[in-house]
Amino acid sequence: DVKVTQSSRYLVKRTGEKVFLECVQDMDHENMFWYRQDPGLGLRLIYFSYDVKMKEKGDIPEGYSVSREKKERFSLILESASTNQTSMYLCASSLGSGGIQPQHFGDGTRLSIL
Amino acid sequence: AQSVTQPDIHITVSEGASLELRCNYSYGATPYLFWYVQSPGQGLQLLLKYFSGDTLVQGIKGFEAEFKRSQSSFNLRKPSVHWSDAAEYFCAVGARDDKIIFGKGTRLHILP
Repeated sequence: DVKVTQSSRYLVKRTGEKVFLECVQDMDHENMFWYRQDPGLGLRLIYFSYDVKMKEKGDIPEGYSVSREKKERFSLILESASTNQTSMYLCASSLGSGGIQPQHFGDGTRLSIL
Repeated sequence: AQSVTQPDIHITVSEGASLELRCNYSYGATPYLFWYVQSPGQGLQLLLKYFSGDTLVQGIKGFEAEFKRSQSSFNLRKPSVHWSDAAEYFCAVGARDDKIIFGKGTRLHILP
């Protein structure tokens, strides 16, 4: 089974801090994704990556950046955290076969910005 | 552009009753369709997927879904729900560039 691991289940940070959310997958998947999930809004794509050192903006990239230095690890960075970034963050990975493949999700990080 | 609509935000059914969750999609070609389930405090788990072939797809946990091209629908069904099925369910459609577009979800409540 694919295992996607997010480093923290719960995180509390202060406004203005630089925040790192880490995600690791163990199935050699090419694609990795970061979403945020808010009540009534579903999942919204922040950034995704097709390969090491490659990244693409999703639907809501403002205030975020990402890093993918190794194939198995995809980090989401909040450059200067704000209260409106309080949310559930979900990481996912999928095979990069050239077609649409199911995404496999981690358990999420619930981030609170005070 | 691709989109997914789940018309019901909340659904309540009694334990042992049958279940149908609705999903409509918008996509120009033959869609890749998914249903995911999210238990409280957890990530999303894939229930089933449709890529081609038989329009009735079997998934895990006793769920099935039927692809109806004429109605642009991919409804999820279960003949008899259990209290452990209480969760949020997401329908999704594959988009370009390996992305998946998710619906806003339907929260399922089970009455004892």
